[in-house]
Amino acid sequence: KAGVTQTPRYLIKTRGQQVTLSCSPISGHRSVSWYQQTPGQGLQFLFEYFSETQRNKGNFPGRFSGRQFSNSRSEMNVSTLELGDSALYLCASSLLAGGSYEQYFGPGTRLTVT
Amino acid sequence: DQQVKQNSPSLSVQEGRISILNCDYTNSMFDYFLWYKKYPAEGPTFLISISSIKDKNEDGRFTVFLNKSAKHLSLHIVPSQPGDSAVYFCAASAPTGANNLFFGTGTRLTVIP
Repeated sequence: KAGVTQTPRYLIKTRGQQVTLSCSPISGHRSVSWYQQTPGQGLQFLFEYFSETQRNKGNFPGRFSGRQFSNSRSEMNVSTLELGDSALYLCASSLLAGGSYEQYFGPGTRLTVT
Repeated sequence: DQQVKQNSPSLSVQEGRISILNCDYTNSMFDYFLWYKKYPAEGPTFLISISSIKDKNEDGRFTVFLNKSAKHLSLHIVPSQPGDSAVYFCAASAPTGANNLFFGTGTRLTVIP
C-alpha cells in the first residue's frame, strides 16, 4: 500500500507570496492532519480534515488555511508569507478521526521563505 | 505553552545497551500516548503507543512505560542498535474526537557502534 505523499518536496518563496501544498493520504484513510515543524518547536498541529470538513484547528493565524477533497486528498495554503513560515510542513493521514488512531506521516514539504 | 516536553535534546548510548528516552506532559486530559521516530528527510514513523488505561506496552525491543500520577512516560530500547539512531518524538492526544497530536520537541538518539 502506498504511503502518504506530499508535493512539492521543496519550495522557495519570497515574503508576501502565497503557497499551496498538497497531500495524498494512504488509500482508505479519511483523516488528514497538517503539522508545522520548526527547530526548537517540534511539531505543531495546524488543522485536521475529515470527510471534507475541518474538525479541529491549531493556534495559527488565518493566513494558514486548508481544504480536503472528496477523494480525501488535502491542500494547505499559506497567504502573505512571512520569514517565520519557513519550516517543514508535514501531512499525516489516519483511518478515522478520534485521537486514538496512529497517524502516518508523509516526508514533508520543506518551505523556505526569503 | 508546551504541553508535552522532552527535556533531553540528545542522548548517546553504546550499541547493545539500553536507551531510555523520557517525556513529561502537563495536560491530565491526555489519554493516548505515542512515540514516533524520525530520520532526516523523512516524515515521523509511528513506533509504539500506549493507552492511559495501561502502564506498560511492549513491542519487540521497544517498551513504553506510563506513570499517570507523575505525568511521565518513557521509551526503553533494548538492546540498542546503530539503526536506532534518529530523533524520537513523544506525542499525546486527548479524547476530543479530533486527531491533533501534541508533540514534544524530540530527543536525538545516537547509538555508538
